[in-house]
Amino acid sequence: SAVISQKPSRDICQRGTSLTIQCQVDSQVTMMFWYRQQPGQSLTLIATANQGSEATYESGFVIDKFPISRPNLTFSTLTVSNMSPEDSSIYLCTQRVWGQTEAFFGQGTRLTVV
Amino acid sequence: QKEVEQNSGPLSVPEGAIASLNCTYSDRGSQSFFWYRQYSGKSPELIMSIYSNGDKEDGRFTAQLNKASQYVSLLIRDSQPSDSATYLCAVIRGGGADGLTFGKGTHLIIQP
Repeated sequence: SAVISQKPSRDICQRGTSLTIQCQVDSQVTMMFWYRQQPGQSLTLIATANQGSEATYESGFVIDKFPISRPNLTFSTLTVSNMSPEDSSIYLCTQRVWGQTEAFFGQGTRLTVV
Repeated sequence: QKEVEQNSGPLSVPEGAIASLNCTYSDRGSQSFFWYRQYSGKSPELIMSIYSNGDKEDGRFTAQLNKASQYVSLLIRDSQPSDSATYLCAVIRGGGADGLTFGKGTHLIIQP
């Protein structure tokens, strides 16, 4: 499995501000995904990060709120924009290697909005 | 109907016994099924994947898949206190290009 690094591991942010989360993998994976885990809840897929093109968002998530970039095969960012306390969650990046379906997670970013 | 359903628990099992975790899914086109273990405050850890009907064993873990009944289960033999965690069932819908759809997870407690 690829090694996935996320930064920052945690942050406390003021409402109305934005935070960009970085995800770096150590192999040239083909698919990268971003998930959110709200307190006490399971994981919800936010979007698929597509290399060199716009991300594919799931229902209920929009680009203006969660802009995503993927400039190359091993790096992606997720920005949480104009944050409110409801955005307090763990944000997780995951990857899938070419020809495989198994997905592995990074350590996540624990975001608290105050 | 939720796409992936699990009993949230808690499921309490004595140490040394078999823990049985269950999951149903709604998309008949799903082809790939996974069990993740998540300790409190940690990210999910993949413990089993299964793609074909029947059983798949890995150490103390056995995953079972029944596509006709749209049912996936995880058995943990000789349960240990360190197995206490939330177990998440996840599927890849349809053709496989999608991300994972997760159930809400089952909180498992192994009682010493």
